[in-house]
Amino acid sequence: DTGVSQNPRHKITKRGQNVTFRCDPISEHNRLYWYRQTLGQGPEFLTYFQNEAQLEKSRLLSDRFSAERPKGSFSTLEIQRTEQGDSAMYLCASIELANTGELFFGEGSRLTVL
Amino acid sequence: AQSVTQLDSHVSVSEGTPVLLRCNYSSSYSPSLFWYVQHPNKGLQLLLKYTSAATLVKGINGFEAEFKKSETSFHLTKPSAHMSDAAEYFCVVSGPGGSYIPTFGRGTSLIVHP
Repeated sequence: DTGVSQNPRHKITKRGQNVTFRCDPISEHNRLYWYRQTLGQGPEFLTYFQNEAQLEKSRLLSDRFSAERPKGSFSTLEIQRTEQGDSAMYLCASIELANTGELFFGEGSRLTVL
Repeated sequence: AQSVTQLDSHVSVSEGTPVLLRCNYSSSYSPSLFWYVQHPNKGLQLLLKYTSAATLVKGINGFEAEFKKSETSFHLTKPSAHMSDAAEYFCVVSGPGGSYIPTFGRGTSLIVHP
């Protein structure tokens, strides 16, 4: 068990560019979450997957955002035509047992849009 | 629907004195409640969790929290603060059922003075 891994850890991009983040969850965890955290705020839910199925998306997830989890393993979060307001820490978490279990978080991917 | 309110954005204590971080929650279900800690440039780490067992929950590093249903509270305490406790603390609520989406509070920054 190597924990939840996120890449890249930091990404600086220019407004209008596309970026993609990857998350590798703990291998036996079938549920995967994406959260976004801005300075001075708590993490805000974006979306989650149960295996390869994307079951819920937040209203925060505009049509410029897309997430996938092919084969129920790793997940990617893509942001198209980035805006300065997208600058944030993007957090991935996985969980083995829903209902009562704790989230295991990666260290996050920090996005800076210039 | 569920939500969590952390009543203090900052708490400042002296080393060796007690810590109290306040959290109130709202949930349509019998909730699961968590406290996470985030040190600078580190991932979120679980401190403790309540999942309908004992109402007084003990966590890591000497922290504990008491679930009080009548007050809808889940305050975090520690008898004696250490310098290493300085961090951001998040209270989290989640309900049972298939749509298990943990909701975070805005966080409380704990400052520990020598």
